[in-house]
Amino acid sequence: NAGVMQNPRHLVRRRGQEARLRCSPMKGHSHVYWYRQLPEEGLKFMVYLQKENIIDESGMPKERFSAEFPKEGPSILRIQQVVRGDSAAYFCASSLNAGDVTDTQYFGPGTRLTVL
Amino acid sequence: AQSVTQPDIHITVSEGASLELRCNYSYGATPYLFWYVQSPGQGLQLLLKYFSGDTLVQGIKGFEAEFKRSQSSFNLRKPSVHWSDAAEYFCAVVPYSSASKIIFGSGTRLSIRP
Repeated sequence: NAGVMQNPRHLVRRRGQEARLRCSPMKGHSHVYWYRQLPEEGLKFMVYLQKENIIDESGMPKERFSAEFPKEGPSILRIQQVVRGDSAAYFCASSLNAGDVTDTQYFGPGTRLTVL
Repeated sequence: AQSVTQPDIHITVSEGASLELRCNYSYGATPYLFWYVQSPGQGLQLLLKYFSGDTLVQGIKGFEAEFKRSQSSFNLRKPSVHWSDAAEYFCAVVPYSSASKIIFGSGTRLSIRP
């Protein structure tokens, strides 16, 4: 059973470009979470999605960032008009159930975004 | 404000020595508590978790953690570290009222001295 898959693993963008990060949850999981890890910091929650629904986006920056989890295909975190401060590692996690904290979130290997 | 504090940014211990990584949280109620490990360039792996019951929790790779309500602490311990334990360790909580959001500490980097 494959774990959480993220691609690309490394992404380089110039300022002003768009970045698209993909996350495929574990088989059977329908809940996806995105976290951001700035250099020398812990992970910070960004958004929680179920299939076709955003449940909690309290950690998402108000502008330029968006996330989706379509009925088919991976979850996408999109960053428009990237700036140097967006350089970070972006981690995706998935879980089988929601509303149940006893259900473990499994993390992917992350996408490391570098903005030149 | 709700927070998780890991006071030690970087710790170095000798291989075979014991280890204790500190974690304190500030919440009104008892949150759900976790320790994760992150190897260089990798994602996070869950070491152990505490929800209720026995305050001494056993995890993978020989790690354990003890919940102390009076000290608002959840320190991670290992009796004898191995070189492969060198990694970043994150303490984390899920507030009782929210099951969707994990709040992470800033991490402690563990180095192992040969």
